Amino acid sequence: EAQVTQNPRYLITVTGKKLTVTCSQNMNHEYMSWYRQDPGLGLRQIYYSMNVEVTDKGDVPEGYKVSRKEKRNFPLILESPSPNQTSLYFCASSYRFSTAYEQYFGPGTRLTVT
Amino acid sequence: GQQLNQSPQSMFIQEGEDVSMNCTSSSIFNTWLWYKQDPGEGPVLLIALYKAGELTSNGRLTAQFGITRKDSFLNISASIPSDVGIYFCAGLIVGGSQGNLIFGKGTKLSVKP
Repeated sequence: EAQVTQNPRYLITVTGKKLTVTCSQNMNHEYMSWYRQDPGLGLRQIYYSMNVEVTDKGDVPEGYKVSRKEKRNFPLILESPSPNQTSLYFCASSYRFSTAYEQYFGPGTRLTVT
Repeated sequence: GQQLNQSPQSMFIQEGEDVSMNCTSSSIFNTWLWYKQDPGEGPVLLIALYKAGELTSNGRLTAQFGITRKDSFLNISASIPSDVGIYFCAGLIVGGSQGNLIFGKGTKLSVKP
């Protein structure tokens, strides 16, 4: 089954404790992206990757890091989480950004930073 | 950052009614997308628009890419309870970063049976 998986689905952590949210897709997609969703603000793009070893900042990259060492995985790293990073995070992928934009979204990761 | 103004923020309608929502921007877009998000899930693409003036339907949904390239609308005809959810517009700005997709803040639709 074609899908985007995220782990963990729920995470409660404390300020300053490094964490990684994993994202994996099994569709051989070139393009992958991370978004955060906050009430009243919609979805905002954090980072995206057009292909392996090619990443770029979205609208709200501060406090986040990403890497794309393999095509299927695109982890989101919070080196020193802060309470303002409490949010719902979505990973998404599509075959190639220049084509149909049919992004498949993962199920989301709800992060709480205390 | 870049902004998409999506309206209305929320709608409460009776089953069977038609729905209209839109997105506007001061920037010019070369692609408009409409997504729906059900509670507890990620957004799902409904319609993609690539050319100014393009009008595309997907079942009871119809969306248009505005002639000025600064706006788009989505209509839902004869709404049913499963239309409930949050609808997002999204787009790619001309001259913006190639991979940077901008989302509106969403329209929350509630349908009374």
